[in-house]
Amino acid sequence: GENVEQHPSTLSVQEGDSAVIKCTYSDSASNYFPWYKQELGKRPQLIIDIRSNVGEKKDQRIAVTLNKTAKHFSLHITETQPEDSAVYFCAGNYNQGGKLIFGQGTELSVKP
Amino acid sequence: EAGVAQSPRYKIIEKRQSVAFWCNPISGHATLYWYQQILGQGPKLLIQFQNNGVVDDSQLPKDRFSAERLKGVDSTLKIQPAKLEDSAVYLCASGGPSGGSYNEQFFGPGTRLTVL
Repeated sequence: GENVEQHPSTLSVQEGDSAVIKCTYSDSASNYFPWYKQELGKRPQLIIDIRSNVGEKKDQRIAVTLNKTAKHFSLHITETQPEDSAVYFCAGNYNQGGKLIFGQGTELSVKP
Repeated sequence: EAGVAQSPRYKIIEKRQSVAFWCNPISGHATLYWYQQILGQGPKLLIQFQNNGVVDDSQLPKDRFSAERLKGVDSTLKIQPAKLEDSAVYLCASGGPSGGSYNEQFFGPGTRLTVL
């Protein structure tokens, strides 16, 4: 079936620490895995994505890793800042047209 | 480049009433998506259009929800009649000039629907 599991549901870290959010997916045909950040009352914003032909991608303090064999991918945020506080969603695509199935979300709180 | 536009931003209705939402995607984007986001959950796809054709509407409650994209540009999502459980944010997204599975999806600001 079409399913993306995400954990933890909440994550609290001290400013400057690292944060890791993990997701697993059910369909081996999935080949595109974006991560979205959603601040309270705002639209989801893409922060990073990864395609199935690579194992890791970095963009400044954010990185995503993908393990296709195990069907899981993770978001890593280093040197966290209070403005990183938001809900983060992982997703995987499930048809050739790009249908995304989202995880349940992780509420990240970065304490100054 | 203008983003995805949606209206209205907020809507409050009584149960059993009807409501319609409008979305205008980014110019040139072939694919348009409607998602429902219930408070505390991730967005759930309701319907996906490629130009003016439906690609996926497997999660659309067709007894009460309908959507169209007649000219392959803007789209309307309608609920008739509304139920309490329809209270959610309805997000429209568009992707890519030609569709395809790797296209980044750009979200609109959403319409927050409250059904009383």
